[in-house]
Amino acid sequence: DAGVIQSPRHEVTEMGQEVTLRCKPISGHDYLFWYRQTMMRGLELLIYFNNNVPIDDSGMPEDRFSAKMPNASFSTLKIQPSEPRDSAVYFCASTQDGELFFGEGSRLTVL
Amino acid sequence: GEDVEQSLFLSVREGDSSVINCTYTDSSSTYLYWYKQEPGAGLQLLTYIFSNMDMKQDQRLTVLLNKKDKHLSLRIADTQTGDSAIYFCAESMAATNKLIFGTGTLLAVQP
Repeated sequence: DAGVIQSPRHEVTEMGQEVTLRCKPISGHDYLFWYRQTMMRGLELLIYFNNNVPIDDSGMPEDRFSAKMPNASFSTLKIQPSEPRDSAVYFCASTQDGELFFGEGSRLTVL
Repeated sequence: GEDVEQSLFLSVREGDSSVINCTYTDSSSTYLYWYKQEPGAGLQLLTYIFSNMDMKQDQRLTVLLNKKDKHLSLRIADTQTGDSAIYFCAESMAATNKLIFGTGTLLAVQP
């Protein structure tokens, strides 16, 4: 298996633009997580899904953030409109039995 | 509440042992994990321990768990320059696969 695949690896955008980050979990994993990593806050859990259903989105910072999982093999995290303080590395991770497998992350820079 | 604390930085000499400490707050945690993050990469699982165990050894890695004090440590024997990375401890919340991560400890290994 190729592991958790995220795209894009790097994104630079201007404030106010819409940003969509994508994730393909490992086949057969029924949990999917979105994390954000910054120097100031460390690793924060934003939202997680179980069998494509959002279970806990309490970590989503504000209404500008939304996440979907239309099927078992794809999830998106959208920021609209983006702001400079959204600059971070966004990680997707999936698991079946507790061991989280992480993607390589999407580094977002909002100018 | 959910809170996992770690010291931010540890510096050791090559060949010495490293001990990275972590405290957590949720006494109902079922598993506790150590993840390693190398520069520009996602997190990779190093080892984990069941909450009913006191110690787990895996080659150069020794995990100690003091459940009474909610204290977890990771000892790396014969630390190598390739061990330089950020180490995260994490606790899994009971009845879910949700992981709460610590702030991460940057381990710098001096040659």
